[in-house]
Amino acid sequence: KQEVTQIPAALSVPEGENLVLNCSFTDSAIYNLQWFRQDPGKGLTSLLLIQSSQREQTSGRLNASLDKSSGRSTLYIAASQPGDSATYLCAASRRDDKIIFGKGTRLHILP
Amino acid sequence: DGGITQSPKYLFRKEGQNVTLSCEQNLNHDAMYWYRQDPGQGLRLIYYSQIVNDFQKGDIAEGYSVSREKKESFPLTVTSAQKNPTAFYLCASSVLTSGANVLTFGAGSRLTVL
Repeated sequence: KQEVTQIPAALSVPEGENLVLNCSFTDSAIYNLQWFRQDPGKGLTSLLLIQSSQREQTSGRLNASLDKSSGRSTLYIAASQPGDSATYLCAASRRDDKIIFGKGTRLHILP
Repeated sequence: DGGITQSPKYLFRKEGQNVTLSCEQNLNHDAMYWYRQDPGQGLRLIYYSQIVNDFQKGDIAEGYSVSREKKESFPLTVTSAQKNPTAFYLCASSVLTSGANVLTFGAGSRLTVL
């Protein structure tokens, strides 16, 4: 059974710092891994998706990597801003199967 | 604009009542999902459907029911059998292709039992 874990559950960093959010999964036979952002009381917004054949994806200040052999993905945020404050969730999926989410990391960027 | 519409955004229910949450998508996506979100619990899968007229139970299906009569619609009924229904409910859809399985979410519906 696929389990997805995100550590830490919460993180506070000063504005301008670079930071890394971690996501680990137990079943390396994933099809793709997706990172989402959720603001309080809102739905989820997709940030990046990494297919199993890829090692990383980049969008602006965000970079996500995938290491299937170690069961890990990381989301790197460069030059953090107060607007980056949100909960970040990762989700692992197998082809034609249900998608499993981690519990998320609540990020707070201190002005 | 393509997207997923969930309604209502807020819903209050008395104990013992059934309630139906609406989810409509105009993305032409094959698969649709319902998740429940509680504080500190993350997202838990209730039901999912990969094609019309077919759906599968997720991890916490007890006390819930769904239908998939049209590709665009995947309503969720919270029945009186669900003992703790107060939560934030999220609907999602995805395209099943050989390339990837990309989820798109609606804005959510918050259900409160009085």
